[in-house]
Amino acid sequence: AQRVTQPEKLLSVFKGAPVELKCNYSYSGSPELFWYVQYSRQRLQLLLRHISRESIKGFTADLNKGETSFHLKKPFAQEEDSAMYYCALSHANAGKSTFGDGTTLTVKP
Amino acid sequence: DTGVSQNPRHKITKRGQNVTFRCDPISEHNRLYWYRQTLGQGPEFLTYFQNEAQLEKSRLLSDRFSAERPKGSFSTLEIQRTEQGDSAMYLCASSLARGAYNEQFFGPGTRLTVL
Repeated sequence: AQRVTQPEKLLSVFKGAPVELKCNYSYSGSPELFWYVQYSRQRLQLLLRHISRESIKGFTADLNKGETSFHLKKPFAQEEDSAMYYCALSHANAGKSTFGDGTTLTVKP
Repeated sequence: DTGVSQNPRHKITKRGQNVTFRCDPISEHNRLYWYRQTLGQGPEFLTYFQNEAQLEKSRLLSDRFSAERPKGSFSTLEIQRTEQGDSAMYLCASSLARGAYNEQFFGPGTRLTVL
């Protein structure tokens, strides 16, 4: 069974500090990993996906198959990064995605 | 196209009543998903369609839940004989399945409260 674990419910950092949101997964096949973000009063939206190897809003995430992790990182957090972040997993051509329970990031001024 | 829409946005009902929610996906998207989210948890998969075919349904889903996508466009999710445990946010998402790319676009959700 596929499972996604986000060990931190809450994470608070000061503006300009580095931030890392942890995500670990368990899956027997070849996973497709995503980070979704939900800003206050907005809908859930895709932030980035591991396939693209892209940086969005300064965030990056590297898939580490050995450690089964997909941590989200940003070197200098901004106040507008404050939001709920969800890590999600699906397999190629699959339907459902399995989500973690989310991490609430607060960036303090 | 303004994205995925869901109606109603809020629904309050009494235990034992039936409720139906509607989801309108992004027009060219062939996949449609339903998720349920309770406080403090991430979205939990319920079911998904490719065009009008329901391809997967969560084993956790009670027989009181049924979903349809009759013409491969909008979808409805019905809950019969609601229970207080059904109170949650019900999310709909759509995607255009092509190869390994499976970005899902989410609607704003329907918040159900069962009294």
